[in-house]
Amino acid sequence: DTGVSQNPRHKITKRGQNVTFRCDPISEHNRLYWYRQTLGQGPEFLTYFQNEAQLEKSRLLSDRFSAERPKGSFSTLEIQRTEQGDSAMYLCASSSLRRGEKLFFGSGTQLSVL
Amino acid sequence: KQEVTQIPAALSVPEGENLVLNCSFTDSAIYNLQWFRQDPGKGLTSLLLIQSSQREQTSGRLNASLDKSSGRSTLYIAASQPGDSATYLCAVPSTNDYKLSFGAGTTVTVRA
Repeated sequence: DTGVSQNPRHKITKRGQNVTFRCDPISEHNRLYWYRQTLGQGPEFLTYFQNEAQLEKSRLLSDRFSAERPKGSFSTLEIQRTEQGDSAMYLCASSSLRRGEKLFFGSGTQLSVL
Repeated sequence: KQEVTQIPAALSVPEGENLVLNCSFTDSAIYNLQWFRQDPGKGLTSLLLIQSSQREQTSGRLNASLDKSSGRSTLYIAASQPGDSATYLCAVPSTNDYKLSFGAGTTVTVRA
């Protein structure tokens, strides 16, 4: 068990560019979550997967955002045509299928849009 | 919609003092409650998870209590150390799904 891994740790991009983040969950975890956190706030839910199925998406996830989890393993979060308001920490978490289990978070990807 | 509030927003204490961090939530129909720690620029580390049927949970110097009926949880940290300096967040899931609603956190500074 190596924990939840996220890459890259930091990403600086210019407005209008596309960016993609990767998350590798704990290997035996079926559930995978993406959250977004801005300075001084708690994380906000974006989306979650059970195996390869994307079961819920927040209204925060505009059409410019897309997430995938092919084969129920790693996940990617892509933001197209980035805007300055997208600057935030993007956090990935995973958990087992059993209800009420702890969520394990990765170290996050800090995105800065210039 | 579940709203989670944490008071105070920031706390500074001398080393050795006990810490009391408060969390309140609007919808008491929760399945469990989790406390997390976050260091600057880092991800979240789960500290304690209390099931709705429990009143408290302990791990080392940490103790968390839960009062579902009043919509409150308290995290106690005994004999604080400078290494306890971090932001502490509480989070609750809705009963029908697993997404967590987080408070904004309490930022703790323990002075040596």
